[in-house]
Amino acid sequence: EPEVTQTPSHQVTQMGQEVILRCVPISNHLYFYWYRQILGQKVEFLVSFYNNEISEKSEIFDDQFSVERPDGSNFTLKIRSTKLEDSAMYFCASSGWRSQETQYFGPGTRLLVL
Amino acid sequence: SQQGEEDPQALSIQEGENATMNCSYKTSINNLQWYRQNSGRGLVHLILIRSNEREKHSGRLRVTLDTSKKSSSLLITASRAADTASYFCATAFSNDMRFGAGTRLTVKP
Repeated sequence: EPEVTQTPSHQVTQMGQEVILRCVPISNHLYFYWYRQILGQKVEFLVSFYNNEISEKSEIFDDQFSVERPDGSNFTLKIRSTKLEDSAMYFCASSGWRSQETQYFGPGTRLLVL
Repeated sequence: SQQGEEDPQALSIQEGENATMNCSYKTSINNLQWYRQNSGRGLVHLILIRSNEREKHSGRLRVTLDTSKKSSSLLITASRAADTASYFCATAFSNDMRFGAGTRLTVKP
């Protein structure tokens, strides 16, 4: 069964460093998403992406964040200058031809900013 | 806010019993989805119910949706220890999905 994959599974970085989190969505999906979950808290929407552009973003997704689909398979989330409060689990998700269809989540990348 | 809020926050039952979790939300939705998350792991999609549907079944899961009350419920029948996890409802209106804080379900063997 096709699945969303994410790399790395864990990343430790120093405050102020840039990190890139990578995702490979399900191959025939058109909508892509990033979410984050701070330890013990709810899953929070960051951004949705369709047709090579951001379609919606939350208030969390400020200028420190950017997303890119550099090729036909990868979908990346970049945090330009990490802060301690960026420590969280980051989930990528994808859905099919309609944005409101079921979103399939990857296993997540646990980011720790020191 | 469109996001769902689950109730109760935590639920502990014996294996074989039924578990009911509720979700309330505040704005219009296109659909409502329930997800499950084992501790520290990814989210697994359980079931999607559209705004024009009232009830849906999938195996031991039964989901209801009452758009007039802006609420949904997830019923897990004949629970098993392996059902122990956090359960989240998520509401979708446009291109994002908003999650509630979840119900932590513990099923004791």
